[in-house]
Amino acid sequence: ILNVEQSPQSLHVQEGDSTNFTCSFPSSNFYALHWYRWETAKSPEALFVMTLNGDEKKKGRISATLNTKEGYSYLYIKGSQPEDSATYLCAIDNYGQNFVFGPGTRLSVLP
Amino acid sequence: EAQVTQNPRYLITVTGKKLTVTCSQNMNHEYMSWYRQDPGLGLRQIYYSMNVEVTDKGDVPEGYKVSRKEKRNFPLILESPSPNQTSLYFCASSLFPTGGTEAFFGQGTRLTVV
Repeated sequence: ILNVEQSPQSLHVQEGDSTNFTCSFPSSNFYALHWYRWETAKSPEALFVMTLNGDEKKKGRISATLNTKEGYSYLYIKGSQPEDSATYLCAIDNYGQNFVFGPGTRLSVLP
Repeated sequence: EAQVTQNPRYLITVTGKKLTVTCSQNMNHEYMSWYRQDPGLGLRQIYYSMNVEVTDKGDVPEGYKVSRKEKRNFPLILESPSPNQTSLYFCASSLFPTGGTEAFFGQGTRLTVV
């Protein structure tokens, strides 16, 4: 079974702080990487889909980078707001067949 | 509105009583899948389907069945539910098998087996 790891498991930041978390995966098993944002009592929603080594994507205050050779992706949130509080999931697309999700990073932004 | 619809949202049932959780999407997506979410474990894939009449096991298929008779529907069947299947279930769909396209998730079904 492909193993996808995320760190930290959870973190608390103050409103206005910038933060980042990591998704690690076996570099030999890569087709695409997905980031999802999952708020409590809602469905996960896609943030980014990344396929190329060196990819950088940005959506508002959130951005992500991808390093397929060393097997990691970073998600950055600049100037965190309370509405950013959610669990952030990454998933590896396993050669176009199935998804393998990491356990997620739970972010709490304190006002 | 593009969406994935799961029913029911909440279900409490007894051990051994067969149940079906329905999933329907209106985006003409080929790829559909089922996940369960348990604390500390993230989303684990149960089954997936690349198209009509094509299904395959994910990482945790034991105790579950699926069918894909129509492109829009992908029901999850628990023939004889057990308490260890108490979980939060999500259905998802995407445009291509996977790759460069995002997945759209249903609202989730919280199942309790007593």
